[in-house]
Amino acid sequence: DSGVTQTPKHLITATGQRVTLRCSPRSGDLSVYWYQQSLDQGLQFLIQYYNGEERAKGNILERFSAQQFPDLHSELNLSSLELGDSALYFCASSASGVETQYFGPGTRLLVL
Amino acid sequence: DAKTTQPTSMDCAEGRAANLPCNHSTISGNEYVYWYRQIHSQGPQYIIHGLKNNETNEMASLIITEDRKSSTLILPHATLRDTAVYYCIVRAYYGGSQGNLIFGKGTKLSVKP
Repeated sequence: DSGVTQTPKHLITATGQRVTLRCSPRSGDLSVYWYQQSLDQGLQFLIQYYNGEERAKGNILERFSAQQFPDLHSELNLSSLELGDSALYFCASSASGVETQYFGPGTRLLVL
Repeated sequence: DAKTTQPTSMDCAEGRAANLPCNHSTISGNEYVYWYRQIHSQGPQYIIHGLKNNETNEMASLIITEDRKSSTLILPHATLRDTAVYYCIVRAYYGGSQGNLIFGKGTKLSVKP
């Protein structure tokens, strides 16, 4: 158990819908990262937050957004969902922006 | 793109040492070598990391060559539960985009009875 929690574990929705994925970092960690893992793309970095502020962006679509709240939990919002958004979404956290990242168990999203 | 090259797959007999190689010939002086593994579709699990000295923890040992262009992850006594995809990642020890993990395809290690 890494100490990073993610909810929900599974999510099934339809095209065009919007969903929110939630991540709680390890106690004391200030930085949260989001990654997407699809069958054809592998694990890809989406976005990083540090202490409530966006720190870095990766291959995140404009339909996706994220935020980190004062209690340091983070949410990833996915809107106008397409079939291709079906994937595993992982959250990771680290003490700062440079320390080792620890991953949560992931949310499996299926868009039908 | 990932800065590392790993074999696509490897087999290892249960109880034997598993030695997983990684080439990172373009590694720069401020980049660490990190190893993670992913068992089935679980979240990637941190194993070990190092800069230039060999490192050991309760899970594995990391051997980095003197020129730092390659490394080997050693699982001393592999078990069936070590069957996973192992990722070798080079990562700068800075914040911002340089600090993020770039995953390649990794090595699928199959531990056989």
